[in-house]
Amino acid sequence: GAGVSQSPRYKVAKRGQDVALRCDPISGHVSLFWYQQALGQGPEFLTYFQNEAQLDKSGLPSDRFFAERPEGSVSTLKIQRTQQEDSAVYLCASSLRQGSNQETQYFGPGTRLLVL
Amino acid sequence: AQSVAQPEDQVNVAEGNPLTVKCTYSVSGNPYLFWYVQYPNRGLQFLLKYITGDNLVKGSYGFEAEFNKSQTSFHLKKPSALVSDSALYFCAVRAFGRAGNNRKLIWGLGTSLAVNP
Repeated sequence: GAGVSQSPRYKVAKRGQDVALRCDPISGHVSLFWYQQALGQGPEFLTYFQNEAQLDKSGLPSDRFFAERPEGSVSTLKIQRTQQEDSAVYLCASSLRQGSNQETQYFGPGTRLLVL
Repeated sequence: AQSVAQPEDQVNVAEGNPLTVKCTYSVSGNPYLFWYVQYPNRGLQFLLKYITGDNLVKGSYGFEAEFNKSQTSFHLKKPSALVSDSALYFCAVRAFGRAGNNRKLIWGLGTSLAVNP
Protein backbone atom coordinates (compact mmCIF):
# COMPACT_ATOMS: atom_id res chain seq x y z
CA GLY A 1 0.00 0.00 0.00
CA ALA A 2 2.76 2.46 -0.80
CA GLY A 3 1.77 6.01 -1.50
CA VAL A 4 3.24 8.44 -4.00
CA SER A 5 6.99 8.70 -3.63
CA GLN A 6 9.29 11.42 -4.89
CA SER A 7 13.05 11.69 -5.13
CA PRO A 8 15.19 13.38 -4.22
CA ARG A 9 13.49 14.97 -1.22
CA TYR A 10 15.90 17.89 -1.31
CA LYS A 11 17.98 19.26 -4.13
CA VAL A 12 20.41 22.14 -4.14
CA ALA A 13 21.45 23.30 -7.60
CA LYS A 14 23.71 26.02 -8.85
CA ARG A 15 22.11 28.50 -11.21
CA GLY A 16 22.34 27.15 -14.73
CA GLN A 17 22.47 23.52 -13.70
CA ASP A 18 19.95 20.98 -15.02
CA VAL A 19 17.89 18.97 -12.52
CA ALA A 20 15.61 15.93 -12.77
CA LEU A 21 12.89 15.18 -10.27
CA ARG A 22 11.30 11.76 -10.08
CA CYS A 23 7.79 10.71 -9.14
CA ASP A 24 6.55 7.18 -8.50
CA PRO A 25 2.74 7.24 -8.42
CA ILE A 26 0.51 4.83 -6.61
CA SER A 27 0.45 1.55 -8.51
CA GLY A 28 -2.37 1.42 -11.02
CA HIS A 29 -3.10 5.13 -10.95
CA VAL A 30 -3.80 6.40 -14.43
CA SER A 31 -3.51 10.14 -13.86
CA LEU A 32 -0.39 11.96 -12.71
CA PHE A 33 0.02 15.62 -11.92
CA TRP A 34 2.92 17.96 -11.18
CA TYR A 35 2.46 21.10 -9.10
CA GLN A 36 4.85 23.83 -7.96
CA GLN A 37 4.45 25.29 -4.49
CA ALA A 38 6.33 28.45 -3.64
CA LEU A 39 6.92 29.36 -0.01
CA GLY A 40 3.73 30.55 1.63
CA GLN A 41 1.61 29.85 -1.43
CA GLY A 42 -0.82 27.23 -2.59
CA PRO A 43 0.24 24.71 -5.23
CA GLU A 44 0.23 25.83 -8.84
CA PHE A 45 -0.52 23.35 -11.59
CA LEU A 46 2.30 22.50 -13.97
CA THR A 47 1.26 19.51 -16.07
CA TYR A 48 -0.99 16.44 -16.24
CA PHE A 49 -0.61 12.95 -17.71
CA GLN A 50 -3.16 10.31 -18.42
CA ASN A 51 -1.13 7.14 -18.76
CA GLU A 52 1.80 8.15 -20.98
CA ALA A 53 -0.06 10.98 -22.72
CA GLN A 54 0.65 14.50 -21.57
CA LEU A 55 -2.81 16.03 -21.89
CA ASP A 56 -2.16 19.41 -20.34
CA LYS A 57 1.12 21.26 -19.99
CA SER A 58 -0.35 24.72 -19.78
CA GLY A 59 1.17 25.40 -16.37
CA LEU A 60 4.80 24.85 -17.31
CA PRO A 61 6.36 28.29 -16.79
CA SER A 62 8.87 28.16 -19.61
CA ASP A 63 10.42 25.90 -22.20
CA ARG A 64 13.11 25.09 -19.62
CA PHE A 65 10.55 22.82 -17.94
CA PHE A 66 9.89 19.42 -19.44
CA ALA A 67 7.98 16.42 -18.10
CA GLU A 68 7.66 12.88 -19.32
CA ARG A 69 5.99 9.62 -18.37
CA PRO A 70 7.13 7.27 -21.09
CA GLU A 71 5.63 4.03 -19.80
CA GLY A 72 2.63 5.46 -18.06
CA SER A 73 4.02 4.95 -14.57
CA VAL A 74 7.08 6.81 -13.28
CA SER A 75 7.33 10.44 -14.28
CA THR A 76 10.28 12.80 -14.44
CA LEU A 77 10.15 16.57 -14.28
CA LYS A 78 13.25 18.12 -15.78
CA ILE A 79 14.29 21.71 -15.37
CA GLN A 80 17.06 22.96 -17.62
CA ARG A 81 19.37 25.89 -16.83
CA THR A 82 17.81 26.42 -13.42
CA GLN A 83 17.14 29.95 -12.21
CA GLN A 84 16.69 31.23 -8.69
CA GLU A 85 12.98 31.73 -9.27
CA ASP A 86 12.67 27.98 -9.81
CA SER A 87 13.28 27.46 -6.09
CA ALA A 88 10.12 25.85 -4.74
CA VAL A 89 8.64 22.56 -3.62
CA TYR A 90 7.63 20.37 -6.53
CA LEU A 91 4.68 18.15 -5.73
CA CYS A 92 3.56 15.08 -7.59
CA ALA A 93 0.07 13.62 -7.27
CA SER A 94 -1.73 10.67 -8.77
CA SER A 95 -5.34 9.63 -9.08
CA LEU A 96 -6.94 6.37 -10.04
CA ARG A 97 -8.79 7.36 -13.19
CA GLN A 98 -11.37 9.69 -14.59
CA GLY A 99 -14.82 9.70 -13.13
CA SER A 100 -16.28 11.53 -10.23
CA ASN A 101 -15.43 9.01 -7.55
CA GLN A 102 -11.89 8.32 -8.66
CA GLU A 103 -10.59 11.84 -8.98
CA THR A 104 -9.06 12.28 -5.56
CA GLN A 105 -5.43 13.27 -6.04
CA TYR A 106 -2.95 11.73 -3.61
CA PHE A 107 0.25 13.64 -3.10
CA GLY A 108 3.84 12.69 -2.56
CA PRO A 109 6.04 14.43 0.04
CA GLY A 110 7.49 16.78 -2.56
CA THR A 111 10.98 17.70 -3.70
CA ARG A 112 12.33 20.91 -2.24
CA LEU A 113 14.53 22.59 -4.84
CA LEU A 114 16.87 25.40 -3.90
CA VAL A 115 18.71 27.16 -6.69
CA LEU A 116 21.71 29.18 -5.57
CA ALA B 1 -11.79 32.77 -14.39
CA GLN B 2 -11.97 29.85 -12.02
CA SER B 3 -10.63 30.60 -8.56
CA VAL B 4 -10.64 29.67 -4.91
CA ALA B 5 -10.47 32.09 -2.01
CA GLN B 6 -9.54 31.40 1.58
CA PRO B 7 -10.20 34.75 3.22
CA GLU B 8 -8.34 34.05 6.45
CA ASP B 9 -4.58 33.65 6.53
CA GLN B 10 -4.75 32.32 10.06
CA VAL B 11 -7.38 30.91 12.38
CA ASN B 12 -6.82 30.56 16.11
CA VAL B 13 -9.06 28.41 18.28
CA ALA B 14 -8.87 26.94 21.76
CA GLU B 15 -8.67 23.19 22.14
CA GLY B 16 -12.10 21.68 22.53
CA ASN B 17 -13.86 24.53 20.75
CA PRO B 18 -15.45 24.20 17.31
CA LEU B 19 -13.40 25.37 14.35
CA THR B 20 -14.28 26.71 10.92
CA VAL B 21 -11.92 27.33 8.02
CA LYS B 22 -13.58 29.26 5.22
CA CYS B 23 -13.44 28.68 1.48
CA THR B 24 -15.32 30.25 -1.41
CA TYR B 25 -14.99 29.38 -5.06
CA SER B 26 -15.77 30.57 -8.54
CA VAL B 27 -16.07 27.98 -11.29
CA SER B 28 -18.12 27.30 -14.37
CA GLY B 29 -20.38 24.31 -14.08
CA ASN B 30 -20.76 22.04 -11.10
CA PRO B 31 -17.72 22.12 -8.86
CA TYR B 32 -15.69 19.29 -7.46
CA LEU B 33 -14.36 20.63 -4.15
CA PHE B 34 -11.56 19.32 -1.96
CA TRP B 35 -9.88 20.01 1.37
CA TYR B 36 -6.28 19.02 2.06
CA VAL B 37 -4.08 19.45 5.12
CA GLN B 38 -0.34 20.06 5.06
CA TYR B 39 1.91 19.42 8.04
CA PRO B 40 5.45 20.88 8.11
CA ASN B 41 7.83 19.14 5.71
CA ARG B 42 5.14 16.74 4.62
CA GLY B 43 2.99 16.42 1.56
CA LEU B 44 -0.62 17.35 1.18
CA GLN B 45 -3.01 14.91 2.81
CA PHE B 46 -6.54 14.49 1.50
CA LEU B 47 -9.27 15.26 4.05
CA LEU B 48 -12.55 15.21 2.15
CA LYS B 49 -14.31 16.09 -1.07
CA TYR B 50 -17.66 17.12 -2.45
CA ILE B 51 -18.64 15.77 -5.84
CA THR B 52 -22.41 15.40 -5.67
CA GLY B 53 -25.11 14.35 -3.25
CA ASP B 54 -25.44 15.44 0.36
CA ASN B 55 -24.20 18.95 1.01
CA LEU B 56 -22.58 17.89 4.28
CA VAL B 57 -19.49 15.83 3.65
CA LYS B 58 -17.65 13.92 6.36
CA GLY B 59 -13.96 13.22 6.09
CA SER B 60 -10.86 12.14 7.95
CA TYR B 61 -9.95 13.00 11.55
CA GLY B 62 -13.46 14.17 12.42
CA PHE B 63 -13.53 16.97 9.85
CA GLU B 64 -16.58 17.82 7.80
CA ALA B 65 -17.46 20.43 5.22
CA GLU B 66 -20.69 21.94 3.99
CA PHE B 67 -21.26 22.71 0.33
CA ASN B 68 -23.44 25.78 -0.14
CA LYS B 69 -24.23 26.39 -3.78
CA SER B 70 -26.00 29.71 -3.32
CA GLN B 71 -23.10 31.15 -1.37
CA THR B 72 -20.47 29.30 -3.45
CA SER B 73 -18.82 28.18 -0.25
CA PHE B 74 -17.28 25.00 1.09
CA HIS B 75 -16.28 25.72 4.69
CA LEU B 76 -14.32 23.15 6.68
CA LYS B 77 -15.54 22.43 10.19
CA LYS B 78 -14.80 20.32 13.22
CA PRO B 79 -16.94 20.23 16.37
CA SER B 80 -14.04 19.97 18.82
CA ALA B 81 -10.52 21.05 17.87
CA LEU B 82 -7.37 19.23 18.94
CA VAL B 83 -3.89 20.70 19.32
CA SER B 84 -2.76 18.12 16.76
CA ASP B 85 -5.08 19.73 14.18
CA SER B 86 -2.67 22.67 13.99
CA ALA B 87 -1.50 22.74 10.37
CA LEU B 88 -1.97 24.46 7.03
CA TYR B 89 -5.29 23.80 5.32
CA PHE B 90 -5.92 24.16 1.59
CA CYS B 91 -9.18 24.30 -0.29
CA ALA B 92 -9.14 23.30 -3.96
CA VAL B 93 -11.57 23.05 -6.85
CA ARG B 94 -11.27 20.89 -9.92
CA ALA B 95 -11.08 22.88 -13.10
CA PHE B 96 -13.24 22.09 -16.09
CA GLY B 97 -11.48 22.89 -19.33
CA ARG B 98 -13.16 23.26 -22.68
CA ALA B 99 -11.44 20.20 -24.03
CA GLY B 100 -12.65 18.08 -21.15
CA ASN B 101 -9.12 16.91 -20.51
CA ASN B 102 -8.41 19.31 -17.74
CA ARG B 103 -8.17 17.57 -14.42
CA LYS B 104 -6.06 20.10 -12.59
CA LEU B 105 -6.91 21.45 -9.17
CA ILE B 106 -7.04 25.17 -8.53
CA TRP B 107 -5.93 26.01 -5.00
CA GLY B 108 -6.51 28.64 -2.39
CA LEU B 109 -3.56 30.23 -0.65
CA GLY B 110 -4.06 28.21 2.50
CA THR B 111 -5.16 28.94 6.04
CA SER B 112 -2.89 28.31 8.99
CA LEU B 113 -4.85 26.78 11.84
CA ALA B 114 -3.46 27.13 15.35
CA VAL B 115 -5.20 25.22 18.13
CA ASN B 116 -4.14 26.46 21.53
CA PRO B 117 -4.10 24.14 24.55
